[in-house]
Amino acid sequence: GAVVSQHPSWVICKSGTSVKIECRSLDFQATTMFWYRQFPKQSLMLMATSNEGSKATYEQGVEKDKFLINHASLTLSTLTVTSAHPEDSSFYICSARTSGDYNEQFFGPGTRLTVL
Amino acid sequence: GQNIDQPTEMTATEGAIVQINCTYQTSGFNGLFWYQQHAGEAPTFLSYNVLDGLEEKGRFSSFLSRSKGYSYLLLKELQMKDSASYLCAVVDSNYQLIWGAGTKLIIKP
Repeated sequence: GAVVSQHPSWVICKSGTSVKIECRSLDFQATTMFWYRQFPKQSLMLMATSNEGSKATYEQGVEKDKFLINHASLTLSTLTVTSAHPEDSSFYICSARTSGDYNEQFFGPGTRLTVL
Repeated sequence: GQNIDQPTEMTATEGAIVQINCTYQTSGFNGLFWYQQHAGEAPTFLSYNVLDGLEEKGRFSSFLSRSKGYSYLLLKELQMKDSASYLCAVVDSNYQLIWGAGTKLIIKP
């Protein structure tokens, strides 16, 4: 099946710093990638939808200037959490789907972010 | 608005059968997914239903009734490793995934 990787798998940073998370589709081209955030004991919350070569579409309540998304190629999308604060500590998960297959999303393993 | 309901938590015994229900009200319907998510890990795909009826895959089966806006995931011969959260997600008319809050399944020996 399709494989999606994320890097890093976990990161601890100081408040005020920026953190970049990479999401890669390893064996397929992902025209669309999704970024989710999940707080403990809660379901996935879609943050933004990213199409290769265009600006990301952010969900209501998600600050686009704080969560910078870049989808520069068909196999890579990045999420940068700028000026991170403790309340940004969460589990960030990306997923990817190919063109023509609007159904299944393939999930990355997630990135655990802890902001001190 | 769009809404997906599933029980918050269920408990079952090892070796038994459990059914996790999901009801949905969405703008359009283009399929329903069930995912399994262990604590601290990303979701993994279990099943996809777009037509009415039962889809069986090993110990897991998924049922869909579009007219009732209803699905269930049936887990047989429960094993301790089945302890996880089970997420129901519906593809709406814009082909966006609408997620339920998940059902935490606790398996007891």
